[in-house]
Amino acid sequence: AQKVTQAQTEISVVEKEDVTLDCVYETRDTTYYLFWYKQPPSGELVFLIRRNSFDEQNEISGRYSWNFQKSTSSFNFTITASQVVDSAVYFCALSESIYNQGGKLIFGQGTELSVKP
Amino acid sequence: NAGVTQTPKFQVLKTGQSMTLQCAQDMNHEYMSWYRQDPGMGLRLIHYSVGAGITDQGEVPNGYNVSRSTTEDFPLRLLSAAPSQTSVYFCASRTPKETQYFGPGTRLLVL
Repeated sequence: AQKVTQAQTEISVVEKEDVTLDCVYETRDTTYYLFWYKQPPSGELVFLIRRNSFDEQNEISGRYSWNFQKSTSSFNFTITASQVVDSAVYFCALSESIYNQGGKLIFGQGTELSVKP
Repeated sequence: NAGVTQTPKFQVLKTGQSMTLQCAQDMNHEYMSWYRQDPGMGLRLIHYSVGAGITDQGEVPNGYNVSRSTTEDFPLRLLSAAPSQTSVYFCASRTPKETQYFGPGTRLLVL
């Protein structure tokens, strides 16, 4: 069965702190994709990153970095030197084959990040 | 390039009323989907389409109908609205090898 778990419901930090959002996934497929989306207070869903199951290289994009570890089925997201504009709900998601319901996304419950000035 | 557009942005319905949520994309994507977002549950797939004329059910299809007469449009119909359908609805589109991109969402309140 497919499942994505984001154990942290809410996180509150002070600006300039580093923060890591955890994501653990379950799948029986050997080929799958992992995603992070950001949902700011305005409500839209903003794509941040996609990772396929064959690429375990960590990725850094500015203040954002992602740590993908197949051994622990985790895909964690770190924001370095957080800013107030980072305040949002962050979703981790999993998709398997495109032939499985059109490559549907299985979402975690989301982590609400609040960055205080 | 507008990407994925959805109308209306917000709607209030009475129980038993019907309505259609509109979704359009201008990226010539084959795959389109509808998700609903409820508090504490992330997003769940309602229906999806892999091309014009082809649709299928997702995880939570009951109470919703879809059709796909063109590549661009993928409307979602509520035949008889119920309070349990109060939610935020997102439409998404993609090509087979690409990421799903979402529309801005429609907030629906059923009284």
